[in-house]
Amino acid sequence: RKEVEQDPGPFNVPEGATVAFNCTYSNSASQSFFWYRQDCRKEPKLLMSVYSSGNEDGRFTAQLNRASQYISLLIRDSKLSDSATYLCVVSYPGGGADGLTFGKGTHLIIQP
Amino acid sequence: DGGITQSPKYLFRKEGQNVTLSCEQNLNHDAMYWYRQDPGQGLRLIYYSQIVNDFQKGDIAEGYSVSREKKESFPLTVTSAQKNPTAFYLCASSHPLAEAFFGQGTRLTVV
Repeated sequence: RKEVEQDPGPFNVPEGATVAFNCTYSNSASQSFFWYRQDCRKEPKLLMSVYSSGNEDGRFTAQLNRASQYISLLIRDSKLSDSATYLCVVSYPGGGADGLTFGKGTHLIIQP
Repeated sequence: DGGITQSPKYLFRKEGQNVTLSCEQNLNHDAMYWYRQDPGQGLRLIYYSQIVNDFQKGDIAEGYSVSREKKESFPLTVTSAQKNPTAFYLCASSHPLAEAFFGQGTRLTVV
């Protein structure tokens, strides 16, 4: 199976700081990229899709680097409520089990 | 409202018993997935289905079975052959190359 790799963390960050983490993927043919957020004992929820031109949603910015095969997530002015696990998801053409591949997640802790 | 529904939220199984977890979606998605998550761990794929009446094994299919008789439904049976079934089970659905939507999960405990 194709791999999606993330630093598991935890990242301990003071409130108000900026934090960024990356996710690398192994299949150069992958076409769709997403960041999900998962709170403890809850289901993952879509945070944002990642587009080739990069995209921003409020305090969150996602970037895609196809040449180096990674995507990134930047969180500015971090809030206590941002504490969660962030999952990188990559979707490959052809569907099947590789149609949706999850990283193991990066655990983020925002400290007061 | 469109969405994906899992039931029950909590389930207790006795040793040697089969149990079935329900997953229903009204998003008109062709693809459906079952994942297992252990505490502090990532998602592991159990089974997936891309179309009605067809499904494929994921990474950890042993001790599990599924069916896909309707587009909307993808139930998972945890059989007595699964020796360590206590976990959080997540069902998801998606269009090809699009984001997945998850149900709220079923927390299964062996008693």
